[in-house]
Amino acid sequence: GAVVSQHPSRVICKSGTSVKIECRSLDFQATTMFWYRQFPKQSLMLMATSNEGSKATYEQGVEKDKFLINHASLTLSTLTVTSAHPEDSSFYICSALTSGGTDEQFFGPGTRLTVL
Amino acid sequence: GENVEQHPSTLSVQEGDSAVIKCTYSDSASNYFPWYKQELGKRPQLIIDIRSNVGEKKDQRIAVTLNKTAKHFSLHITETQPEDSAVYFCAASRGDSSYKLIFGSGTRLLVRP
Repeated sequence: GAVVSQHPSRVICKSGTSVKIECRSLDFQATTMFWYRQFPKQSLMLMATSNEGSKATYEQGVEKDKFLINHASLTLSTLTVTSAHPEDSSFYICSALTSGGTDEQFFGPGTRLTVL
Repeated sequence: GENVEQHPSTLSVQEGDSAVIKCTYSDSASNYFPWYKQELGKRPQLIIDIRSNVGEKKDQRIAVTLNKTAKHFSLHITETQPEDSAVYFCAASRGDSSYKLIFGSGTRLLVRP
């Protein structure tokens, strides 16, 4: 149980375009999902917390107009990188909390974004 | 701000030996400390976690110890195997939210056959 999927797994786009990444909890409901960014050989940096039915909360230094987050249902959160630039190239990983109130985060497989 | 430091950044051990990875955290309100294993290009997988009301936890070859006074916690892997080779991340919950995690910088473990 507790499987999280992400789509797409890889995306290459031109500078200035927008890219949408989906994060789905497949076999459980997730009231809270997290979005992380991971640069090569570095740690996971929390970008924002996505709460179903309410606005996402962003970490300091993360532009909310640049990284749009929508959590429209208990099983889906989306991250849209708007007007992407080469410096946005990174590995984006989501995680989800189960509704059981435990601390464990279940991670998606990640999306590798390359902006040309 | 809150910070989690992890050492060493790389660790090479002979198969069968033990491996120890250490982390320190700064937020005294942290109360949940998970450890994740991440293979190249894959998702992080929880391997063990510990909460602040416990000093030690063991699961087969893996154990975690926590010293709340010193704000230290460590991962111990015994009888290492080549398939243990991966990057390991420690994390600590944020004091303002037990569900938000601060990750350490990672340890690349190589187990030589």
